[in-house]
Amino acid sequence: DTAVSQTPKYLVTQMGNDKSIKCEQNLGHDTMYWYKQDSKKFLKIMFSYNNKELIINETVPNRFSPKSPDKAHLNLHINSLELGDSAVYFCASSQDLAGGLMTADTQYFGPGTRLTVL
Amino acid sequence: TQLLEQSPQFLSIQEGENLTVYCNSSSVFSSLQWYRQEPGEGPVLLVTVVTGGEVKKLKRLTFQFGDARKDSSLHITAAQPGDTGLYLCADNSGYALNFGKGTSLLVTP
Repeated sequence: DTAVSQTPKYLVTQMGNDKSIKCEQNLGHDTMYWYKQDSKKFLKIMFSYNNKELIINETVPNRFSPKSPDKAHLNLHINSLELGDSAVYFCASSQDLAGGLMTADTQYFGPGTRLTVL
Repeated sequence: TQLLEQSPQFLSIQEGENLTVYCNSSSVFSSLQWYRQEPGEGPVLLVTVVTGGEVKKLKRLTFQFGDARKDSSLHITAAQPGDTGLYLCADNSGYALNFGKGTSLLVTP
């Protein structure tokens, strides 16, 4: 059974289109994340949700909107796609929302969605 | 956000060689994690280090956390082609992982 799954695996679309990426975790975790990995393999946090509530919203254009219908799902909607949005997007989950002085919890990553904007 | 520097950026070695990769920061880590990412996959956690001076071993992989908790190293003994991948260090000072830019390792038979 896949712990964190994402669909689709590959997404090729034209500039200006609107698209969504879905993420589901079957681990019973309370926290889910979206990360973006650029062409140089740099992995950067975009959003973090804990119990369906937004915790982190890094400097991401408001064309990106996460939606968490329940604790097991965190979808990413992208409006008016631009060439610079081309990247691999990873969903992840962890049991707790840890930070600061707390020991880092294990994050489980999905297989990624490779988005190509033409 | 803490800046994590990883070195080297790329490493290509023959099977059986030993190697060390590094992760450094100007700030103290609350805790540090090492992940490995294979092509086409998401990162997978290898280890978490918390205490300064800590050493952890995972088969042929040895992880060290600096005494001042500002640096860490990963040493691989007798590398194998299956070790090929992107090695990422990450700190959890905020409410999500803050990654370094990674070391891309290629081990050829």
